[in-house]
Amino acid sequence: QQQVKQSPQSLIVQKGGISIINCAYENTAFDYFPWYQQFPGKGPALLIAIRPDVSEKKEGRFTISFNKSAKQFSLHIMDSQPGDSATYFCAASTASKLTFGTGTRLQVTL
Amino acid sequence: EAQVTQNPRYLITVTGKKLTVTCSQNMNHEYMSWYRQDPGLGLRQIYYSMNVEVTDKGDVPEGYKVSRKEKRNFPLILESPSPNQTSLYFCASSLRALNTEAFFGQGTRLTVV
Repeated sequence: QQQVKQSPQSLIVQKGGISIINCAYENTAFDYFPWYQQFPGKGPALLIAIRPDVSEKKEGRFTISFNKSAKQFSLHIMDSQPGDSATYFCAASTASKLTFGTGTRLQVTL
Repeated sequence: EAQVTQNPRYLITVTGKKLTVTCSQNMNHEYMSWYRQDPGLGLRQIYYSMNVEVTDKGDVPEGYKVSRKEKRNFPLILESPSPNQTSLYFCASSLRALNTEAFFGQGTRLTVV
């Protein structure tokens, strides 16, 4: 049972374009929604995170949009760069459990 | 440098031969956990520990054991590995609870033949 559903599985975006990755969750006990970025051969690293009391958080080119009523959240990468090519995981957390989505492989082409 | 260190990075073993993957963090974090990463499934939590001597099962604990005798170390033990445990394993730590930033190790790629 996948508690956090992520789409798309893969994404190809031209340099300068906007990358959008979507996630949906089921458990209303989740109270922390991070996005992790993973490069080949590396462990995931926190990119940006949001708590459910706000609807949007922006850090540089990265924005999380959060819709509590719909139980959905998304990552927007503005002005996508080749260096952004990586696998992105959404996640949802309680104090004791961190549940990941299945990942999105992003490729930014020149 | 603040980090989570896993060893070994790569391991090939045979079915049934007990093995241990070590994990150590130098950030004085209370919370540590283990995940396995499989294609198309993302990362799934195996076990976690909220403090010394406190451990609990995650979503996929079958075939694994852990211990937390010291705050900095959280080894993952496979008593009798099987081929379906071939995977990429990650250890992670957080300051207190999981609803804060988790820091991940570099991963251990395990192959069981």
